[in-house]
Amino acid sequence: DTEVTQTPKHLVMGMTNKKSLKCEQHMGHRAMYWYKQKAKKPPELMFVYSYEKLSINESVPSRFSPECPNSSLLNLHLHALQPEDSALYLCASSQVYSGYTEAFFGQGTRLTVV
Amino acid sequence: SQQGEEDPQALSIQEGENATMNCSYKTSINNLQWYRQNSGRGLVHLILIRSNEREKHSGRLRVTLDTSKKSSSLLITASRAADTASYFCATDAGAGSYQLTFGKGTKLSVIP
Repeated sequence: DTEVTQTPKHLVMGMTNKKSLKCEQHMGHRAMYWYKQKAKKPPELMFVYSYEKLSINESVPSRFSPECPNSSLLNLHLHALQPEDSALYLCASSQVYSGYTEAFFGQGTRLTVV
Repeated sequence: SQQGEEDPQALSIQEGENATMNCSYKTSINNLQWYRQNSGRGLVHLILIRSNEREKHSGRLRVTLDTSKKSSSLLITASRAADTASYFCATDAGAGSYQLTFGKGTKLSVIP
């Protein structure tokens, strides 16, 4: 199984809502990532988890809260988002192995904040 | 911050022609990778070239790496309409790192 599964595929939420994005992989990868991608732009790294511990937070606002409950799951909790947070949110996973970091991506969650 | 810079930003070719995309980066790397993204979907890993390699092939793909110029190129030969996508180079942050930073991408359109 070489898939990274993200749910939901699409999400529309109001600025006062709380929602969560979910990501799952069963490749035994111990690094998992959240990326944000705006239209016609490259993915931008948000968070990196290594061995279920947050290792990198790229100065992401606190209205985005990541969680890694176990080695297969990664969540992104959303609260009080702004319309400019509308984007494609991509989850990825890889081995924790310096020098060979092929990442496997999910199909993304298309988030619209209204 | 974005490490890689691709050019051209957009490329339109006829089916059967070759497509070449370039990527430049700024700092030392362990490896450089190329990914493809179909419209609005996830990224798919295409090929990885290590910093001590100069050229690598995979099917219709050929990647070169020039670490002295901090640049790489991706050549797709005999393009097909299904190759229409955005292509991104991605670099790691050097020794001990496993996070990727993506370039701005090249949008390739292959006209049947």
